[in-house]
Amino acid sequence: AQSVTQLGSHVSVSEGALVLLRCNYSSSVPPYLFWYVQYPNQGLQLLLKYTSAATLVKGINGFEAEFKKSETSFHLTKPSAHMSDAAEYFCAVRHNSGGYQKVTFGIGTKLQVIP
Amino acid sequence: NAGVTQTPKFRILKIGQSMTLQCTQDMNHNYMYWYRQDPGMGLKLIYYSVGAGITDKGEVPNGYNVSRSTTEDFPLRLELAAPSQTSVYFCASTPAVTDTQYFGPGTRLTVL
Repeated sequence: AQSVTQLGSHVSVSEGALVLLRCNYSSSVPPYLFWYVQYPNQGLQLLLKYTSAATLVKGINGFEAEFKKSETSFHLTKPSAHMSDAAEYFCAVRHNSGGYQKVTFGIGTKLQVIP
Repeated sequence: NAGVTQTPKFRILKIGQSMTLQCTQDMNHNYMYWYRQDPGMGLKLIYYSVGAGITDKGEVPNGYNVSRSTTEDFPLRLELAAPSQTSVYFCASTPAVTDTQYFGPGTRLTVL
């Protein structure tokens, strides 16, 4: 079964510190991987996506993620956390199911930024 | 473009009542999805559609029904509301499964 594992349901960092949110995946097809962000009381919006063009993917708001096939990982990083980064972050992977392709989301990681 | 719109934003239902959550997108996307989000559980796929007239079950379809008569609309029907259906419901659309999903603002449903 295809799956996404996000390690750490809650992560706290100080303002200005490195942000590292972990995501490991399993996929039987070449993976398409996504990171989405959800601000309070809003829907999800795309941060970045990996589509095999480059292993280091840059997204919005200074976030980036590196695809590592050997580790089946797609961790999200940002060099310096800002208060506005406080949100919930979801990793997602494309997979085949029942003849159609679908996207499965991880359980999410809530990021707290401490002043 | 309005993107993906959902109505209502909030709703309280009594056990056994029925309702329809509306979802409309104006981007001419073929793929549409309904998710429910519960605390600490991430998003669970309820139903999806790959085009008008084609729908299929996701991970948690029990207690729900959908239809897709047009490209734009993908309503979700709850026939006999139960407390277990208390959740936040999100509709999303995308032009292709490998592309970005565009989410609506969500419907917060409480069943008492």
